[in-house]
Amino acid sequence: ELKVEQNPLFLSMQEGKNYTIYCNYSTTSDRLYWYRQDPGKSLESLFVLLSNGAVKQEGRLMASLDTKARLSTLHITAAVHDLSATYFCAVDIETSGSRLTFGEGTQLTVNP
Amino acid sequence: NAGVMQNPRHLVRRRGQEARLRCSPMKGHSHVYWYRQLPEEGLKFMVYLQKENIIDESGMPKERFSAEFPKEGPSILRIQQVVRGDSAAYFCASSPNTGGDGGYTFGSGTRLTVV
Repeated sequence: ELKVEQNPLFLSMQEGKNYTIYCNYSTTSDRLYWYRQDPGKSLESLFVLLSNGAVKQEGRLMASLDTKARLSTLHITAAVHDLSATYFCAVDIETSGSRLTFGEGTQLTVNP
Repeated sequence: NAGVMQNPRHLVRRRGQEARLRCSPMKGHSHVYWYRQLPEEGLKFMVYLQKENIIDESGMPKERFSAEFPKEGPSILRIQQVVRGDSAAYFCASSPNTGGDGGYTFGSGTRLTVV
């Protein structure tokens, strides 16, 4: 059974600081996704990582994928309050069909 | 492009009633997925459908839950005889093809409360 683990689960940080969220998964994956979820809202797609060594950046967020280590990271640079949300990674394995297996989520709070 | 449309946004049912959740995929998407999110948890896969076919229902509870995606109209997730433990947010996602190469787009969800 595929397992996806994120850490930390809770992260409180000061504005202007840098931090990294880690996502480990237990088996070979075709694709890895990062999503953002605000309280009571749906999931907003941030990044889709399709190959080993993939790195994508959008604003203060940068995601990378190491398929050999089965690890993805979401790096936050110079955090701002607007980044406060829950961040999920999800892994997609195409077997008999497609489905996402999600991590538990990292609840990020950026304090002024 | 209206995106993935789910309705209702909020649904309150008494124990023992039926709940019907609807999902219209994005235009051009023929693959639909249902996920359930319990409070303070991540999303759990329930079922994957294409038009008139259930492809993978390995995440569906064995009883009371069913899903369909008819040739015409939205996908429906049906929960019979709801219990308090069914209270959750139910999200639908769609993709243009299998494997999610085009990415998965999520709807706004239906928040089911069983009283």
